[in-house]
Amino acid sequence: GENVEQHPSTLSVQEGDSAVIKCTYSDSASNYFPWYKQELGKGPQLIIDIRSNVGEKKDQRIAVTLNKTAKHFSLHITETQPEDSAVYFCAARYLLSNDYKLSFGAGTTVTVRA
Amino acid sequence: DSGVTQTPKHLITATGQRVTLRCSPRSGDLSVYWYQQSLDQGLQFLIQYYNGEERAKGNILERFSAQQFPDLHSELNLSSLELGDSALYFCASSVGLAHTEQFFGPGTRLTVL
Repeated sequence: GENVEQHPSTLSVQEGDSAVIKCTYSDSASNYFPWYKQELGKGPQLIIDIRSNVGEKKDQRIAVTLNKTAKHFSLHITETQPEDSAVYFCAARYLLSNDYKLSFGAGTTVTVRA
Repeated sequence: DSGVTQTPKHLITATGQRVTLRCSPRSGDLSVYWYQQSLDQGLQFLIQYYNGEERAKGNILERFSAQQFPDLHSELNLSSLELGDSALYFCASSVGLAHTEQFFGPGTRLTVL
């Protein structure tokens, strides 16, 4: 199966600064990489995703970059705000026994200090 | 609000018991996925149903089973419960069957005493 490693496990940033979370994956055939934000007591919320035929994707203050050669992808949050405080999960989609599955990283707890 | 609903929100039961968790996908979504989230294992994919048929299996125990009904809602049945089954159980849904653009429900917190 796919092994996704996520770093760092915790991240504290000053409001207005940028936050970067990195993930690596093991299966070179993986081709879809979503990022989820989970607030306390809620389910994961899809915030951005990228497919393997694209190197970068942006949506307002968030962006994701993908390096297929190195098998890693990153989430960038600019101009962080207190409401960005949450746990962020990366994931990679892989094919096993003719079926797709998502493998998730262990999560990064982001705290934005006011 | 993702449009995915799950009931109940909380469930407390004893070891050896059986429970049923329910999920209604977003309108128009044909795939339903079940995930288990625990502190030590993170988010683990359990099983996927697409338009009523089982599509993919993950790390689902034999004591667990699921089904998707003609109206596309799904139920996850957990039996012979053990303390280690205590976790958050999430349902997600998507339009297609390829595990892209999954939208998660609010989850059911299961506590086994």
